[in-house]
Amino acid sequence: DIQMTQSPSSLSASVGDRVTVTCRASQSISSYLHWYQWKPGKAPKLLIYSASNLQSGVPSRFSGSGSGTDFTLTISSLQPEDVATYYCLQTYSTPPENTFGQGTKLEIK
Amino acid sequence: QVQLLESGPGLVKPSETLSLTCIVSGGSIRSYYWSWIRKPPGERPEWIGYVYYSGSTNYNPSLKSRVTISIDTSKNHFSLNLSSVNVADTAVYYCARGMGAWEPFDFWGQGILVTVSS
Repeated sequence: DIQMTQSPSSLSASVGDRVTVTCRASQSISSYLHWYQWKPGKAPKLLIYSASNLQSGVPSRFSGSGSGTDFTLTISSLQPEDVATYYCLQTYSTPPENTFGQGTKLEIK
Repeated sequence: QVQLLESGPGLVKPSETLSLTCIVSGGSIRSYYWSWIRKPPGERPEWIGYVYYSGSTNYNPSLKSRVTISIDTSKNHFSLNLSSVNVADTAVYYCARGMGAWEPFDFWGQGILVTVSS
């Protein structure tokens, strides 16, 4: 099975900062990598799909890049409402055996 | 706008069966893949499995022996049964929609906390 490793596990940054979260797969997953924002008590939100595509309605300060085994989620200018935990998800496995990263908890300094 | 709502008991005894239902509103249940995902406290989310609107299923191998996911297109809902639960099955359970078997989940419910305890 495919293992997903995220870094860092937690991150504290100031409003307006550029923030980067990394996700690494244990084998190549092409571009079958997606990013989610999780907030307590709310439905998880799809931010980026297929590594670099911005989901409809998501602010343009969010972007994604990468392919193969290494992927990045970037927030270009951190806003207070971005406080959340971010997870990557791979959907490459056949048969489907989707797996998540361990998460990155983002806080405001 | 598609909305998903999980329902079911919040407390289940060890060795019993956990049963949840997800009601889909604002759109058809047809032509999509419907998944269950859970998040134990302090752990990463875990995909449990999906059911296609036709009734075909695919489960996480780690849970396959205990999981059944079914769908009722006439009622626009799908269900999860997890048998022989133990405390490690305590988690927030989410239902979600996927556009395809290898596509991400684009709509989610808000989740329901299920605690396994005697």
